Amino acid sequence: NAGVTQTPKFQVLKTGQSMTLQCAQDMNHNSMYWYRQDPGMGLRLIYYSASEGTTDKGEVPNGYNVSRLNKREFSLRLESAAPSQTSVYFCASRDQGAWEQYFGPGTRLTVT
Amino acid sequence: LAKTTQPISMDSYEGQEVNITCSHNNIATNDYITWYQQFPSQGPRFIIQGYKTKVTNEVASLFIPADRKSSTLSLPRVSLSDTAVYYCLVGGPDTGRRALTFGSGTRLQVQP
Repeated sequence: NAGVTQTPKFQVLKTGQSMTLQCAQDMNHNSMYWYRQDPGMGLRLIYYSASEGTTDKGEVPNGYNVSRLNKREFSLRLESAAPSQTSVYFCASRDQGAWEQYFGPGTRLTVT
Repeated sequence: LAKTTQPISMDSYEGQEVNITCSHNNIATNDYITWYQQFPSQGPRFIIQGYKTKVTNEVASLFIPADRKSSTLSLPRVSLSDTAVYYCLVGGPDTGRRALTFGSGTRLQVQP
């Protein structure tokens, strides 16, 4: 099992550009999450998906959109990147009924 | 979700026992206490979870007093590889999405 995978690992964007961060899990988990982590800070929830076909906003959703393409994949889109979105983005998944979340390796995004 | 307070940083030496205390004064009846570990450039990793008294696994022990307003993560005989940020989180099974609310964590530095 690969667990939770994320692509790309690194990305540099110019202000106003768009991009999609990809996340996939092979553990058959129902719930998936997107977090961002700014330097020296804890993680903050952007969006989550409790099950295939459903998504909901987290703590900091502005400037982002998500798609739960199927049970395995949950993508995060930045329509018009801003320097304030420079951060490390983590995807996570959780099995139904469980508390433990499994995190991917992260995507380091820089917006200039 | 209950707010948590932890020390910002701690230093230790190899072979010592490290205890990290987390304060969560307004913990709810249904809340569990969960600890995650995060190495640089990696996503957080689940360490241990408990509700009351003491929980032990192969990695750590978690001590929770009767009033549950605090908890202590105990790492026995730390090594250099235990250098990481440790997060204490509190949440309950009826917290809907069960998303994790991270504080700033405790940065543990283990010296040789």
